[in-house]
Amino acid sequence: DAGVIQSPRHEVTEMGQEVTLRCKPISGHNSLFWYRQTMMRGLELLIYFNNNVPIDDSGMPEDRFSAKMPNASFSTLKIQPSEPRDSAVYFCASRPGQDGETQYFGPGTRLLVL
Amino acid sequence: AQSVAQPEDQVNVAEGNPLTVKCTYSVSGNPYLFWYVQYPNRGLQFLLKYITGDNLVKGSYGFEAEFNKSQTSFHLKKPSALVSDSALYFCAVRHRNTGGFKTIFGAGTRLFVKA
Repeated sequence: DAGVIQSPRHEVTEMGQEVTLRCKPISGHNSLFWYRQTMMRGLELLIYFNNNVPIDDSGMPEDRFSAKMPNASFSTLKIQPSEPRDSAVYFCASRPGQDGETQYFGPGTRLLVL
Repeated sequence: AQSVAQPEDQVNVAEGNPLTVKCTYSVSGNPYLFWYVQYPNRGLQFLLKYITGDNLVKGSYGFEAEFNKSQTSFHLKKPSALVSDSALYFCAVRHRNTGGFKTIFGAGTRLFVKA
């Protein structure tokens, strides 16, 4: 298996633009997580899905952020409009779905909003 | 409040010496405990976990961690550090809250191993 796949790996955009980050979880995994990592705030859980259904979105910073998981093999995290403070590395992770199982992280998308 | 603490921002160790990266937690119930490692420009990689059973857990790359319930700690250890162990290490705790299970990550500890 190729592991969790994220695209793009790097994104540079201007303030106000829409940004869409994509994630393909490991096949067969039931849970999918979106994280944001910054120097100031460390690693933050934004949202996670179980069987394509959003379970906990309490970490989504504000309405500019939205996430979807239309099927078991694809998820998007969208920021509209983007702001410079959204600059961070965004990680997607997937998990087989059983309690106690490990999360497998993608390589991350490095976002820079100018 | 549920929390995970990694009290050291950075740990410096000479190659060949033992290393310890500390983690303490404050959650209700019986948590699941994890250690992840992050190399530069990479995602987090799983090292080891404690679910139940033997308090000493062995993981990847020669790392181990000891679960101490009375001290609510899960320190990461390695008997002999390698330069290639230099990375960012995260402790994580998965616990049950009102909305179901939730995973909390510590702030991370940067490990520098000098040759």
